[in-house]
Amino acid sequence: DQQVKQNSPSLSVQEGRISILNCDYTNSMFDYFLWYKKYPAEGPTFLISISSIKDKNEDGRFTVFLNKSAKHLSLHIVPSQPGDSAVYFCAASEAGANNLFFGTGTRLTVIP
Amino acid sequence: KAGVTQTPRYLIKTRGQQVTLSCSPISGHRSVSWYQQTPGQGLQFLFEYFSETQRNKGNFPGRFSGRQFSNSRSEMNVSTLELGDSALYLCASSLQTGSNYGYTFGSGTRLTVV
Repeated sequence: DQQVKQNSPSLSVQEGRISILNCDYTNSMFDYFLWYKKYPAEGPTFLISISSIKDKNEDGRFTVFLNKSAKHLSLHIVPSQPGDSAVYFCAASEAGANNLFFGTGTRLTVIP
Repeated sequence: KAGVTQTPRYLIKTRGQQVTLSCSPISGHRSVSWYQQTPGQGLQFLFEYFSETQRNKGNFPGRFSGRQFSNSRSEMNVSTLELGDSALYLCASSLQTGSNYGYTFGSGTRLTVV
């Protein structure tokens, strides 16, 4: 049973525009959420995270929004750059847990 | 500093064989976790080791096992390989146990079972 879901397998965006990647979860015990970026032949790289006590966290061009009532989070990339083209994974964990639940990923393509 | 090193990068095995994968964490990191990535399934947690002790195990059959050595290096073993075990196996290390400490992933070992 997939507790973290990324329903869009792919997304294409023009360079300079906003990219919005979405993620839904079912487990109300999740209290920490992360986004990872993965290039081919490399391991996932941590991008940004958010605790359940916040609804927004920003780091440069990347902002993560958390809507706990809807069990939904999103990653906004503004402006999108061709180097952002990668697979993005959403992940979540319960308090004190030592494992992450990952979504199936969204492949972002930024078109120059 | 050196990242997480996984060896080998690629591996081809035959059904029924066993395989051992290796992971060297970032220096000073004491927690090592293993994940399996397959198309359509994302990354699925296998197990985590901290101070040579398995702290948590995912929902995988007993054919999947692991261990951690005193220098924090970890190995993962899969016995009686099945075609469905073909996947990218990722190792991640962190300073402490608990996902809030942030994982650093290795590049993975791609296992193909034929």
